Amino acid sequence: EDKVVQSPLSLVVHEGDTVTLNCSYEVTNFRSLLWYKQEKKAPTFLFMLTSSGIEKKSGRLSSILDKKELFSILNITATQTGDSAIYLCAVGIVDSSYKLIFGSGTRLLVRP
Amino acid sequence: KAGVTQTPRYLIKTRGQQVTLSCSPISGHRSVSWYQQTPGQGLQFLFEYFSETQRNKGNFPGRFSGRQFSNSRSEMNVSTLELGDSALYLCASSLGGGNQPQHFGDGTRLSIL
Repeated sequence: EDKVVQSPLSLVVHEGDTVTLNCSYEVTNFRSLLWYKQEKKAPTFLFMLTSSGIEKKSGRLSSILDKKELFSILNITATQTGDSAIYLCAVGIVDSSYKLIFGSGTRLLVRP
Repeated sequence: KAGVTQTPRYLIKTRGQQVTLSCSPISGHRSVSWYQQTPGQGLQFLFEYFSETQRNKGNFPGRFSGRQFSNSRSEMNVSTLELGDSALYLCASSLGGGNQPQHFGDGTRLSIL
């Protein structure tokens, strides 16, 4: 059975801290790994990773994929209260077509 | 560019009723996927449509169905509603070529009384 596991489930930090969120997976027909940020409504797309070892970066957020060890990390540096959200990891696989398998998410709370 | 639009935003129904949810994808996107999000199960894949054809279906009962129109808009229908169907239903669109990021709408919050 395809599965995606995120850790930790929740995290409380103070503004300015650096956090690392983890995502491991066991799937068949892997195609990509995606990170989303979900506040109160729609999950917002952050990154899509398809190749091992190539870091993707956007401002204070960065992510990298290890296809040999089957995991990815999402780093957030100099955290701000606006980073408080649920961070979702999803793995894109192909069975009859491309679809996403989601992890349960990491709930991040950044305190002032 | 307008994002993915889902209507209605909130719905309250009673057991046994049926419901239809609507999703308008980002302009130019031909693939529409539906997900159910609950606190216990997280985000689970329901089905995916591309060019009016259902290409993939998740592990949900036949009470859950959908369709896609020629303009790529999609509807999802749930019949004989059960209490356990209470959830946030999210629609996501993509170009559909595979390995394209999916972009989500704000969802429809369905509550079953």
